[in-house]
Amino acid sequence: QKEVEQNSGPLSVPEGAIASLNCTYSDRGSQSFFWYRQYSGKSPELIMSIYSNGDKEDGRFTAQLNKASQYVSLLIRDSQPSDSATYLCAVKEDSNYQLIWGAGTKLIIKP
Amino acid sequence: KAGVTQTPRYLIKTRGQQVTLSCSPISGHRSVSWYQQTPGQGLQFLFEYFSETQRNKGNFPGRFSGRQFSNSRSEMNVSTLELGDSALYLCASTIGLGLRGEQFFGPGTRLTVL
Repeated sequence: QKEVEQNSGPLSVPEGAIASLNCTYSDRGSQSFFWYRQYSGKSPELIMSIYSNGDKEDGRFTAQLNKASQYVSLLIRDSQPSDSATYLCAVKEDSNYQLIWGAGTKLIIKP
Repeated sequence: KAGVTQTPRYLIKTRGQQVTLSCSPISGHRSVSWYQQTPGQGLQFLFEYFSETQRNKGNFPGRFSGRQFSNSRSEMNVSTLELGDSALYLCASTIGLGLRGEQFFGPGTRLTVL
């Protein structure tokens, strides 16, 4: 059973600080990784995808991938109260391209 | 470009009834996936359709079914509704193929079963 693990939180971070969200996965062969943000009562929205080891930056967001350690993380710099949401990690299976989802981490940014 | 649309947005049904939900993907997207989301279970994959064919299926009972039309629009049907079917049903369409395809979600249909 392929799994994606996330700390459910809540993770509380002061406004302006860096929020660090982590995700580990069980399938060593996985190559495609995605971070989604979901506000309460809304649908998930894609923040970033990452496919290669290392960092990928997009504005205040940085995704980090370490395939050897089987983890992917999302850093949010200069956190804002509007970043308060649940962040979902998804890993794509190589065999059938189906996404395996983590349960999500609830992030709270305190003003 | 219009996003993924889902209808209806809200639905109230009673046990034993059946329901049909509709999803129109982003123009040009040929793959449509359906998910069930509940507070306790998170995002659970139902099925995926590509070019009118079911490509993947999750671990749900046969009461849950779906189909895709030639214009890529998709429907899912739940028969003999149970209280536990109350959930947010999400449709996502995929741009790109294979490992780099990215899924974009619609607003969802919130189903309440009484």
